[in-house]
Amino acid sequence: DVKVTQSSRYLVKRTGEKVFLECVQDMDHENMFWYRQDPGLGLRLIYFSYDVKMKEKGDIPEGYSVSREKKERFSLILESASTNQTSMYLCASSFPISSGVFHSNQPQHFGDGTRLSIL
Amino acid sequence: QKEVEQNSGPLSVPEGAIASLNCTYSDRGSQSFFWYRQYSGKSPELIMSIYSNGDKEDGRFTAQLNKASQYVSLLIRDSQPSDSATYLCAVSAGGTSYGKLTFGQGTILTVHP
Repeated sequence: DVKVTQSSRYLVKRTGEKVFLECVQDMDHENMFWYRQDPGLGLRLIYFSYDVKMKEKGDIPEGYSVSREKKERFSLILESASTNQTSMYLCASSFPISSGVFHSNQPQHFGDGTRLSIL
Repeated sequence: QKEVEQNSGPLSVPEGAIASLNCTYSDRGSQSFFWYRQYSGKSPELIMSIYSNGDKEDGRFTAQLNKASQYVSLLIRDSQPSDSATYLCAVSAGGTSYGKLTFGQGTILTVHP
């Protein structure tokens, strides 16, 4: 079974703090993703990475950055936390398209999520 | 803007009935289609993947794909109260999309005894 582990289930931080959310997967997936999920807004992609040290902005990257120094680990950083970043944060990973193996995009597998509150 | 639309809920069905969840997508180049189930306060869990036109069955779940109509659906037979959850439709483009998925807003399903 795919295992995507997020470092914290619940986290409370203060406005202005630098916040690190960690995600580790054990399936040797190249692709990794960070989402936030808010009531009525659905899942929104913040950043994704398709290889070590490679990163791409998603739909709502403002106020966030990411780091991928190792294949299995993808970190989300809130540079200076604000109250509007209170949310459920979800990490996911997937295999890439690979000729001879996968010819279509593969499903993403999610971690348990981190419910982050910024006070 | 590539969009994924799901039938607005909430959807309520009696135990033992068939629940039908629908999803349309705007990108004709889409190649991979997924259904996720999300219980309240939990993360999305993959329940079905479908890549080609037609039906795909897995236990009580059947996914149906019609690329010409840009339509994908999920049928849940013999619905149980434990099926009560939000169901998310997710669609992926082909090519070098790096595995990005576009999610629908979700349909809340309630199965009442």
